[in-house]
Amino acid sequence: DIVMTQSPDSLAVSLGERATINCKSSQSVLFNSNNNYLAWYQQKPGQPPKLLIYWASTRESGVPDRFSGSGSGTDFALTISSLQAEDVAVYYCQQYFSTPRTFGQGTKLEIK
Amino acid sequence: QVQLQGSGPGLVKPSGTLSLTCAVSGGSISSSNWWTWVRQPPGKGLEWIGEIYHGGDTNYNPSLKSRVTMSVDKSKNQFSLKLSSVTAADTAVYYCARGGAAVPAGNWGQGTLVTVSS
Repeated sequence: DIVMTQSPDSLAVSLGERATINCKSSQSVLFNSNNNYLAWYQQKPGQPPKLLIYWASTRESGVPDRFSGSGSGTDFALTISSLQAEDVAVYYCQQYFSTPRTFGQGTKLEIK
Repeated sequence: QVQLQGSGPGLVKPSGTLSLTCAVSGGSISSSNWWTWVRQPPGKGLEWIGEIYHGGDTNYNPSLKSRVTMSVDKSKNQFSLKLSSVTAADTAVYYCARGGAAVPAGNWGQGTLVTVSS
């Protein structure tokens, strides 16, 4: 199984500041030197996860452009350029390169 | 816009079988290749259970494979999950989602809380 490890487990950032969440996979999720099979999800309390980013850096339709994804191979990051109050949530990375399609343990993002 | 609605018993007895259904509306179940089940124990993270192709092919999490069965009913535009020999460790919110294989889960149902208890 590919193990996904996120850091940090929790993060407190001031409104308007940048927030960065890291995700490391135990093996590469890059296929054909082209696509990274890595997604980011946002989950607010009492709600299902919401897809934010896929192919490591492609924003899902309707997702604000303050959210961006980067990285390749085994090291990835989700960045929120200017934190808004509505961004308080738990964020998960997931690899869909191979089965089982594993998730990171989650990063809880709060307002400082 | 495709919407998913999960349903099933909220309480299952230990050693019993958990059975959930996910109804797809706003589109045909055959319009998306793969459909996925994910679960989340209370206060914990997400666990991928498995995925099913609209034609019936499946991929299951090896940790659950011996107890999981997924199926598709095209006539009812829905897909289903069965998990046998449940224990308290199977207590979780169970989510159905559109996507799987090389496509991440883009549409999710609201989730069904299933509690395993006598």
